[in-house]
Amino acid sequence: DVKVTQSSRYLVKRTGEKVFLECVQDMDHENMFWYRQDPGLGLRLIYFSYDVKMKEKGDIPEGYSVSREKKERFSLILESASTNQTSMYLCASRHAALNEKLFFGSGTQLSVL
Amino acid sequence: RKEVEQDPGPFNVPEGATVAFNCTYSNSASQSFFWYRQDCRKEPKLLMSVYSSGNEDGRFTAQLNRASQYISLLIRDSKLSDSATYLCVVKILLLAGGYNKLIFGAGTRLAVHP
Repeated sequence: DVKVTQSSRYLVKRTGEKVFLECVQDMDHENMFWYRQDPGLGLRLIYFSYDVKMKEKGDIPEGYSVSREKKERFSLILESASTNQTSMYLCASRHAALNEKLFFGSGTQLSVL
Repeated sequence: RKEVEQDPGPFNVPEGATVAFNCTYSNSASQSFFWYRQDCRKEPKLLMSVYSSGNEDGRFTAQLNRASQYISLLIRDSKLSDSATYLCVVKILLLAGGYNKLIFGAGTRLAVHP
């Protein structure tokens, strides 16, 4: 079974802090994604990466950056956390050739106070 | 207008009932369609793809109507374990770079009671 692991299930940070959310997948997937999920809004794509060292902006990249130095790891960085970044963050990966199915991590609930 | 719209529900149904959800999408260039299931406080998981001719997987039937730009999910003989949020997902090809993008609806919540 594919495993997508997010480093923290719950995280509480203060406004202005730099926050790192880590995601690791063990199936050699080329594509990786970061979403945030908010009630009534569904999942919104923040950034994605089609392969190592590659990154593309999603629909809501403002206030975020990403890093993909190794194929298995995709990091989301909040440069200066703000209260409106309080959300559930979901990482996902998929095989480039079988690109229909996304595998998600169990999510990180981030609260910014 | 949202690109993918779903009735948030909740749909409260008794065990054994048949229930159907619809989802509408606005981008006529949408290529592929899916239903994902998300249990409370868990991650979404692919339930089924939706094919043009319609498709069935056990008690679940998915239909696509391209002319009216909606997809549906029908669940027959509902079980307690079907209680979850069902996310409608649409794949769109991005012209720049040839990438594709998945757009998620906000989900429809189903609660099956004894």
